[in-house]
Amino acid sequence: QVQLQESGPGLVKPSQTLSLTCTVSGGSISNDSYYWTWVRQHPGKGLEWIGYIYYSGATFDNPSLKSRLTMSVDTSKNQISLNLGSVNAADTAVYYCARWVRRDYGMDVWGRGTTVTVSS
Amino acid sequence: DVQMTQSPSSVSASVGDRVTITCRASQGIARYLAWYQQRPGKAPRFLISAASSLQGGVPSRFSGSGSGTDFTLTITSLQPEDFATYYCQQANRFPITFGPGTKVEIK
Repeated sequence: QVQLQESGPGLVKPSQTLSLTCTVSGGSISNDSYYWTWVRQHPGKGLEWIGYIYYSGATFDNPSLKSRLTMSVDTSKNQISLNLGSVNAADTAVYYCARWVRRDYGMDVWGRGTTVTVSS
Repeated sequence: DVQMTQSPSSVSASVGDRVTITCRASQGIARYLAWYQQRPGKAPRFLISAASSLQGGVPSRFSGSGSGTDFTLTITSLQPEDFATYYCQQANRFPITFGPGTKVEIK
């Protein structure tokens, strides 16, 4: 079955760029039934949708992060990536990648999540 | 943005109880409403799409209803593995937004 795995540094300094990768296994990222999504969860808090990307490279993102956010897709590697610039402590969170099912308007497969701490 | 609220924020219940969680949207979202379950330290699990469609593998004791602005998630006969936090999510308008969560705790 499809599995997602997030990877990236667990510690990022303030003002730097947070970079994460999500590797999709067991299925093709080029399947047109899905978007590939980033969601984050601040410590002890709820879920925040960051954005999602289609295999074509089209992106839909949260306006609250738009000016700092870049998402990309590499179909040859079956990966998506997230870059969030000018981070601060408020970006400390668990970051999840997930598969968005276009037909169902929800996320049916999730990675385990990766904890990112912004601190000097 | 569409603001999602949930009530209660937490509920204490016993195994076998019936639990109902309410989710309200700040504007009409038709039936573009999903529910997730999240156990501590785990990723969310997709339970329900389109307000009432159970995802594959989700036990039938879970059910959802509603449309427009008011939605409910009901768990009949609560099981030990159901103690978790439940989130609603709207997908009618960007950005996609979640409710703050309802924690179902053991009484």
